[in-house]
Amino acid sequence: AQSVTQLDSQVPVFEEAPVELRCNYSSSVSVYLFWYVQYPNQGLQLLLKYLSGSTLVKGINGFEAEFNKSQTSFHLRKPSVHISDTAEYFCAVTKANSGGYQKVTFGIGTKLQVIP
Amino acid sequence: NAGVMQNPRHLVRRRGQEARLRCSPMKGHSHVYWYRQLPEEGLKFMVYLQKENIIDESGMPKERFSAEFPKEGPSILRIQQVVRGDSAAYFCASSLSGTGSHEQYFGPGTRLTVT
Repeated sequence: AQSVTQLDSQVPVFEEAPVELRCNYSSSVSVYLFWYVQYPNQGLQLLLKYLSGSTLVKGINGFEAEFNKSQTSFHLRKPSVHISDTAEYFCAVTKANSGGYQKVTFGIGTKLQVIP
Repeated sequence: NAGVMQNPRHLVRRRGQEARLRCSPMKGHSHVYWYRQLPEEGLKFMVYLQKENIIDESGMPKERFSAEFPKEGPSILRIQQVVRGDSAAYFCASSLSGTGSHEQYFGPGTRLTVT
């Protein structure tokens, strides 16, 4: 079974500074990887996903993530954050190319707090 | 082009009562997932359903919890004889398939408070 570790439960960062939210996964097979964002009192919304191909994935709101197979990581980055990026971010993983049902496993989340 | 709908958004129940949470998936989606979110604990998978079938209920507590997704109408998560520990946000998601390559679209959640 796969698992996801989000190493930081909270990340404070000043507005317009860069940010990296870390995600490591564990799996014995190929995986698909996702980042979701949750704004207060809302459901999760997909930011970006890696299925195959280029290891650098660009998402919405200026976020990007890089799939690193050797380090089993999928860290999320943004070069300059805005107040509106304050939210909780979830990394998720599932088995790839299964052709059948595969459960998606979510990390426990990282709260990004952007400081004015 | 409505997204995933959940109702009610907030639900207050006394201990021992029943809670019914409803989820209407996105148009064209026949795969539904239920998750529970507790503070500081992240999102925990509960159950995965297709129309009229429970495919994976490995995350459901063995007692008091049940889920269905009938041929017509929304998916229902039912909690009988609620206890304080059931207080949480419950999210429903839907997708085009269950293979994992299609992302899950989440509803706004139902926040259950047990008094």
